[in-house]
Amino acid sequence: DSGVTQTPKHLITATGQRVTLRCSPRSGDLSVYWYQQSLDQGLQFLIQYYNGEERAKGNILERFSAQQFPDLHSELNLSSLELGDSALYFCASSVWGTAQETQYFGPGTRLLVL
Amino acid sequence: GESVGLHLPTLSVQEGDNSIINCAYSNSASDYFIWYKQESGKGPQFIIDIRSNMDKRQGQRVTVLLNKTVKHLSLQIAATQPGDSAVYFCAERAQNTGNQFYFGTGTSLTVIP
Repeated sequence: DSGVTQTPKHLITATGQRVTLRCSPRSGDLSVYWYQQSLDQGLQFLIQYYNGEERAKGNILERFSAQQFPDLHSELNLSSLELGDSALYFCASSVWGTAQETQYFGPGTRLLVL
Repeated sequence: GESVGLHLPTLSVQEGDNSIINCAYSNSASDYFIWYKQESGKGPQFIIDIRSNMDKRQGQRVTVLLNKTVKHLSLQIAATQPGDSAVYFCAERAQNTGNQFYFGTGTSLTVIP
């Protein structure tokens, strides 16, 4: 158990809908990362937050957004969902969000868009 | 974008044998590498890391080798156990890509009892 929690574990929704994925980092970690993992692709970095502020942005679609709250939990919002958005979404956390820190991953949310 | 590839998508080994999982990377500016293990239904788990100023690093039953000349990374698992069965990812980071991590698609390791 990494100490990172994610909810829900599974999510089934329809195209065009909007969903929110939630992540609680390890106790003491200030930085949160979001990743997408499709069946035929490796982990794709989406976005990073540090202490409530956006720090880095990866291949995140405009239909997706995220935020980190004062209590350091983070939410990833996916809107106007398409079939291709079906994937595993992982959250990871680290203490300072620096480049050479180990990131600890949560168990993931499996999203299925029908 | 970055290219982090794995030579073999699947690998089967006998219990007790040593396993070697390979990874090629394309960015010569990459300076930090991590191996992750991902079991079915779980998130990636950190195994071992190595910085570009090193060629080899050892952990408990695992060794990572880095060959910067050919941009190749390998993970060696000694005395492979059934619990080692999982997908293994390598990840690279480079300052010239905004310090983001790029992950390979993974190698599935199956340990045969």
